Amino acid sequence: EVQLLESGGGLVQPGGSLRLSCAASGFTFSSFVMSWVRQAPGKGLEWVSAITSSSGGTYYADSVKGRFTISRDNSKNTLYLQMNSLRAEDTAIYYCAKAAYNSLSVLNYWGQGTLVTVSS
Amino acid sequence: EIVLTQSPGTLSLSPGERATLSCRASQSVSSSYLAWYQQKPGQAPRLLIYGASSRATGIPDRFSGSGSGTDFTLTISRLEPEDFAVYYCQQYGSSRGYAFGQGTKLEIK
Repeated sequence: EVQLLESGGGLVQPGGSLRLSCAASGFTFSSFVMSWVRQAPGKGLEWVSAITSSSGGTYYADSVKGRFTISRDNSKNTLYLQMNSLRAEDTAIYYCAKAAYNSLSVLNYWGQGTLVTVSS
Repeated sequence: EIVLTQSPGTLSLSPGERATLSCRASQSVSSSYLAWYQQKPGQAPRLLIYGASSRATGIPDRFSGSGSGTDFTLTISRLEPEDFAVYYCQQYGSSRGYAFGQGTKLEIK
């Protein structure tokens, strides 16, 4: 059974940093693109970032480019999102999601999310 | 950058009725790389449809997708109580990443 478990969310001040983690199990983690998608309170889904299986390619939404860094450790089956220079508008539930293939393909499994709140 | 516009914003129907949700893209979606997701309150999104018309594993056949180019539709043939949720369309397969529509809320009338 595919499982994705996010952690690392919490309350952080504007301008601060936070690192999210996503522990994966139930599939060959090193073979698939992984993504982060966020959802602000009461709002819709917004794709944040994606990374290829070997970390050779990374992709970012314009809203986070230059502030967020996606990475992965295939030996630990873990996906990360380093978030710097956080803003109030980054407040959201952050979901980790698995792509169906090693490409920017459909997201066929999602974690339950971790809440990030940016506030003073 | 593709922009996806979903309509209506809210759809009020009764169990047993047919639901038709629309997703329009600002430019053609290549190879019908269009997906639909369902999200219930407090839950993560769940994949329903990919490739515009293929059902994901375990999705009941009352859910169907259609369309190509810039116009796509999600149809739920006979609504069950558990189908009332928010539905999102998504474009994928682009080197620019993913795009989501703003969502359609399907509520009980």
